[in-house]
Order: sequence, then structure tokens, then C-alpha cells
Amino acid sequence: GAVVSQHPSWVICKSGTSVKIECRSLDFQATTMFWYRQFPKQSLMLMATSNEGSKATYEQGVEKDKFLINHASLTLSTLTVTSAHPEDSSFYICSARVRGFSETQYFGPGTRLLVL
Amino acid sequence: GESVGLHLPTLSVQEGDNSIINCAYSNSASDYFIWYKQESGKGPQFIIDIRSNMDKRQGQRVTVLLNKTVKHLSLQIAATQPGDSAVYFCAEKGIRGNTPLVFGKGTRLSVIA
Repeated sequence: GAVVSQHPSWVICKSGTSVKIECRSLDFQATTMFWYRQFPKQSLMLMATSNEGSKATYEQGVEKDKFLINHASLTLSTLTVTSAHPEDSSFYICSARVRGFSETQYFGPGTRLLVL
Repeated sequence: GESVGLHLPTLSVQEGDNSIINCAYSNSASDYFIWYKQESGKGPQFIIDIRSNMDKRQGQRVTVLLNKTVKHLSLQIAATQPGDSAVYFCAEKGIRGNTPLVFGKGTRLSVIA
């Protein structure tokens, strides 16, 4: 149980384009989802917290207009990297909490984004 | 600000030996802790968790120890196998509220066959 999927698993795009990443909880309802990015050999950096039906809460230094987050249902959250640039190239990982349980976070497999 | 950190960034262990990965935390309000394993190119995988009202919890081949007095957390892996090679992260949060996990820097475990 507690499986989180992400799509796509990797994406290559041209600078200036927008990329959408989907995060789904497959066998549970997730009231809250989190988006992280990870650079090589570094830890996970929280970008934003996404609650179903409300606006996402962004961490300091994360541009909300650049990283659009939508949490339309209890099983789906999307991250859109708008007008992507090479410095946005990274490993993006989503995480979800099981509805009713406020502690454990289950992670998706990650999406590797390469912006040329 | 407060953070979770690790004593050792890398650890090399002979196959079959026991591994101990350490983590220090500084937020006294943290009362829930998790260890994750992350293999190259994959998302973190839940290993084991522990609440602050416990000092030890065992899973399959893994044990987490919590010392609240010195704010120290450790992960013990028994009979380490090549498949255990990965980066291990500790993470912590307060049990109240829907706050996200705070991750430590990570320790790379290399198992020598």
C-alpha cells in the first residue's frame, strides 16, 4: 500500500517551454502533498506544500509564479515549471501523506528534468 | 535555523557486517522521526519510523534508536547486504500539525563485497 506515482519519469525540453509533472497517490487519499527538488549528491529541498482544494504554500525563495502547483483532487497534484531554463534542471520528487495520518510521507519515484 | 544533520557523510561496510548510521537533530519540538533509503535515480523509500515516546523500534534487519537526551537518532542495519548500498536520510517533524518533514544531509552507505 501507500504507492505514489509520478509522470513523466524524465523529460527533456527546450529553454522557455513549460513542463507539467503529475503526482498521484494510487491506493490512498492524500490530503497533503509535498514537492521537493534534489540536486546531485544533495538532500531533498522542500519547494511547497499542497493541500487539496487550497492554494499551495511555498518555501522561502521558491517562485510561485514559476513553479505552479495544483492539487485538484485527493489523489492528484501537479507541478508546472513555467518558462523553464537550464538552471531548473533537477530531480523533482513529490510526496504524499495518507489522509487521517499526519506523519508518514510516502515518496514518488521522481522526475528528472533536463532543460536545454 | 534548526536542522537535522548527520555525523558521517559516507560509510563503507563489509558485506555481512552491521552498519550504524547516525543523525543529530536540534529541534527539541520534533517528536516523530523517519529513516529513508534512496537509491540512485529513485525517490526515497520509507524504512522505519519512531515516535518520541519510544527509544527503540525494530523492523526487518533494521533498528532505529532514539536518544532524546542528546537529540540523537541512529539506524542500525544487521548483516549488511550489497542491496543496502544507497544514501540514507533521517527526517523529523513535530507530531502536531500538517508540517512537512525536514531532511538531514544524507549518508552514503557503500557495501564492500
